[in-house]
Amino acid sequence: KQEVTQIPAALSVPEGENLVLNCSFTDSAIYNLQWFRQDPGKGLTSLLLIQSSQREQTSGRLNASLDKSSGRSTLYIAASQPGDSATYLCAVRPHPANQAGTALIFGKGTTLSVSS
Amino acid sequence: DAGVIQSPRHEVTEMGQEVTLRCKPISGHNSLFWYRQTMMRGLELLIYFNNNVPIDDSGMPEDRFSAKMPNASFSTLKIQPSEPRDSAVYFCATAVSSGTDTQYFGPGTRLTVL
Repeated sequence: KQEVTQIPAALSVPEGENLVLNCSFTDSAIYNLQWFRQDPGKGLTSLLLIQSSQREQTSGRLNASLDKSSGRSTLYIAASQPGDSATYLCAVRPHPANQAGTALIFGKGTTLSVSS
Repeated sequence: DAGVIQSPRHEVTEMGQEVTLRCKPISGHNSLFWYRQTMMRGLELLIYFNNNVPIDDSGMPEDRFSAKMPNASFSTLKIQPSEPRDSAVYFCATAVSSGTDTQYFGPGTRLTVL
């Protein structure tokens, strides 16, 4: 059974720092991996999606990498800002050959706080 | 498009009462997912539909939970009878199709069962 773990559970940094959030998964047979952002009391917003054949994706100050063989992904945030404060969730989609459907399996998230 | 619409946004009810959560998907999206989020267990899939047909309901915790999608523009998640341990945030998410990867989430319904 696929399990997704995110470390650390919480992270506090001063504004301007570059930071890395970690995600690990137990079964490397994934279809893709997705990073989401969740603001308090709000739904999830998709940030980046990496297909299993890709190594990384970039969007602005965000860069997500994927090492499928080791079961790891990282989300790199450059020059952090107070507006980046939120919970970041990692989710994997199992390979259809291993598990029917398109359900995402989520980690419990890393809550980031960026102070000004 | 207004995005995925969920109602109500907040629901407080007493144990034993019936609760109905509603979701309107993004127009043109054929896959719909119901998730539940708790501090203890994080986000978990309850059930998902493709073209209005339930595909996987293995995440539905017990018979007290039921979900329907009578048409492409509406889905409900019903809990009857509700229990305090059902207190959570329930999210609806939709995608263009089962082969499309990006899921778009609604704002969620925060359910409190007293």
